[in-house]
Amino acid sequence: EVQLVQSGAEVKKPGESLKISCKGSGYSFTSYWIGWVRQMPGKGLEWMGIIYPGDSDTRYSPSFQGQVTISADKSISTAYLQWSSLKASDTAMYYCARLCCGYDPDYFDYWGQGTLVTVSS
Amino acid sequence: EIVLTQSPATLSLSPGERATLSCRASQSVSSYLAWYQQKPGQAPRLLIYDASNRATGIPARFSGSGSGTDFTLTISSLEPEDFAVYYCQQRSNWPLIFTFGPGTKVDIK
Repeated sequence: EVQLVQSGAEVKKPGESLKISCKGSGYSFTSYWIGWVRQMPGKGLEWMGIIYPGDSDTRYSPSFQGQVTISADKSISTAYLQWSSLKASDTAMYYCARLCCGYDPDYFDYWGQGTLVTVSS
Repeated sequence: EIVLTQSPATLSLSPGERATLSCRASQSVSSYLAWYQQKPGQAPRLLIYDASNRATGIPARFSGSGSGTDFTLTISSLEPEDFAVYYCQQRSNWPLIFTFGPGTKVDIK
């Protein structure tokens, strides 16, 4: 069974750093892109970026380039999303999702449960 | 950059009724169009991929159609568990960008 399990909720102060995780299981982690999606409170879905754990090839949405860093450790089948200096506007639910399938993947077939990040002074 | 527009923003229907949701792209996305369902407090769930293919485990009452710029998600007869928000999503190649529509909320009339 394909599963993406994300790390738990975080409460941080503005200016602090944070790294959240997404652990994949039940499939070949190095063979599928993993994406990150933001959902601000009461709002829609926003694509942030994707990473291919096999070679760490990473692509970012122009809206999030330079704002976050996406990485992966294939040895433990885990992808990460990190911030160096959080802002209150980073308060949101963050989802990881597997990008499917094959040579030309275009949709997200499995999703993590989400990690709620709250940034407040 | 391709923009997705969904209509209506809210659809108020009764169980058993047919729901027709629209997603329009600002330029052609070929058939690279997916639909997701999201219920409160839950992660999105893939319903339809490549415009018209049902994802694994999705009931036959969900169907997708369209190509190019105009796409439709149809729920043939609404079940109580279908009341949720529905998002469309596309992938463009150059630059590589994934875009979600703003969503359509299907609520109980």
